[in-house]
Amino acid sequence: AQSVTQPDIHITVSEGASLELRCNYSYGATPYLFWYVQSPGQGLQLLLKYFSGDTLVQGIKGFEAEFKRSQSSFNLRKPSVQWSDAAEYFCAVGAATGRRALTFGSGTRLQVQP
Amino acid sequence: DADVTQTPRNRITKTGKRIMLECSQTKGHDRMYWYRQDPGLGLQLIYYSFDVKDINKGEISDGYSVSRQAQAKFSLSLESAIPNQTALYFCATTVPGQLSYEQYFGPGTRLTVT
Repeated sequence: AQSVTQPDIHITVSEGASLELRCNYSYGATPYLFWYVQSPGQGLQLLLKYFSGDTLVQGIKGFEAEFKRSQSSFNLRKPSVQWSDAAEYFCAVGAATGRRALTFGSGTRLQVQP
Repeated sequence: DADVTQTPRNRITKTGKRIMLECSQTKGHDRMYWYRQDPGLGLQLIYYSFDVKDINKGEISDGYSVSRQAQAKFSLSLESAIPNQTALYFCATTVPGQLSYEQYFGPGTRLTVT
């Protein structure tokens, strides 16, 4: 069965600083990987996804992520964080079975200091 | 993007009561899902459905049931609510086709069982 680990429960960065959120997955084949963001009181919004091809993927709001098969990682990055980026971020992997459901990590809460 | 709506958005109920959470989508997606979100646990799959006659259990289906009344509607019921079912519940849909891993989420229903 697939699994996702987000090692950092909570991260605080200063506005304008760079950001990297870690995600490690366990999966037996080529994974389908996603990052979602959840703002307070809101649903989940897709930031970016990786299915195949270029291992560096660009998403919305200036985010990018890099798939590294050798490290089983799909870390999310942003060069300059804004105050509005404060939210919870979830990494997810697509299920191997036909149900096509997602397996989520436990999330990383990002706090942005002025 | 899919227009996924959930009702109610917030609900407080008492232990032992039956409650139904409803999900509707307007994009004709065939696959629908119910997830539960608990703090520090990410999202966990409760049930999923590929069409009106295809209902499947997820990892945490005990204490829940579902009904797919039509392609566009997928309801989640708690037959006898208990306090540890207090959580945020999300409905999601996926597009048909080969790359049907990307999921579109509703805004969520916050359920409190007292």
